[in-house]
Formats: sequence, C-alpha cells, structure tokens
Amino acid sequence: DAMVIQNPRYQVTQFGKPVTLSCSQTLNHNVMYWYQQKSSQAPKLLFHYYDKDFNNEADTPDNFQSRRPNTSFCFLDIRSPGLGDAAMYLCATSRPAGGPGEQFFGPGTRLTVL
Amino acid sequence: TQLLEQSPQFLSIQEGENLTVYCNSSSVFSSLQWYRQEPGEGPVLLVTVVTGGEVKKLKRLTFQFGDARKDSSLHITAAQPGDTGLYLCAGSNDYKLSFGAGTTVTVRA
Repeated sequence: DAMVIQNPRYQVTQFGKPVTLSCSQTLNHNVMYWYQQKSSQAPKLLFHYYDKDFNNEADTPDNFQSRRPNTSFCFLDIRSPGLGDAAMYLCATSRPAGGPGEQFFGPGTRLTVL
Repeated sequence: TQLLEQSPQFLSIQEGENLTVYCNSSSVFSSLQWYRQEPGEGPVLLVTVVTGGEVKKLKRLTFQFGDARKDSSLHITAAQPGDTGLYLCAGSNDYKLSFGAGTTVTVRA
C-alpha cells in the first residue's frame, strides 16, 4: 500500500543535542510538509517542499531546518532542541495537480527533550 | 490568515447517541477535509468535500459542505467507542491547509 512512513516513532534527545527526524513516501507526491503538533491542538505547519523548492513559514524558528534529497525522502533537523520543542512531528504529502489538495499524514514522531 | 472555528472543543457522549461537530469560517475554500486522529498517531483523512451543498456519507458519518463553501459539519449517528478521537477540519486553497482547533470526542461504553 502507498503510504507515508516516519522514523523513528519515538525519539528522546537531550536539551541542545541535535536531532534528525525522517519521512519517506511511496505516493510519489511532489509536495512534502512538516508540522509540529502539541497536545490536543491542531497541527502547525513549519515548512514544506514543493518539488525541490523550500518554503518556510514566517514564524518557524531558525532552529528548525529541512532537507529533501529526492522525491521520496524529507528530513527535519532540530539544531538545538529546547524543552519547548517537545511535541509530535508530523510529515504529510500531497499532489496538488491531481486533486483538491488533500494531504496524507504519516504516523508521526513523538519527540521528548530531557 | 484564514481561520476555521470548530465547535464544540470537547464532546463526551454515551454509546448509541448522535453527535454533530461544526466547522465555520469567513473564508471560502476550494475544498474542505475532515480528519480523525487517535492518540499517538497521525491524522487520517475521512473525507474531502468540494462542491457547495455537497453531502457525503461514510457508514455512520455524514459530512456536509455549506452552499457558500465556508462551513461544514460532521454528524455521527449511533456513536461507538471506536469513534473516540480528535476530529480536525481543514480548509484547502492552493496546496496548503488551514486547520480548525479540533474537537475531542469521547464515546463512553
């Protein structure tokens, strides 16, 4: 089945220690998104890639970076995690030209910062 | 920023009862999606509505898109404990989503 995969599902890091979260997709969608979600709140968009073009949201901290080496993979790098960065991180994909802009989400990575 | 207001924020009902969740905006959307999210998992797409006035049914779930494409509702008939979760509406224009704050639904056995 075509899907969005996130690894790891759970990540524990120390305050200030860099961490990388990964996302892969078999849907062949050209847009990939990273969201941050805190408890029982709506997902908050951090940035997205439209093909190779990176688009940062205005209020995304510089601490968050992303890489997309190819169509299938996208990474979220947190350079110096703070306690406030503990959250669920969601990856999503879409193919705007093929439909009404639906996004398909991965299962998420739960990040704990000690 | 396009804002979507969801109500109620929390809903706790007994198994077998019906419930309705509302999603309202002052903005027009080209489409609107409903997602359900269970604890520790990502949102799962339930339905996409595109046409004003459209009604879609998914088993016991009925989704309606307002005539002006600014609002939507989700109605669950005879709710079951498996319906428990966070329900999110999201309006789409272009390829970005504007999310509502979510409705946490708890169905007690």
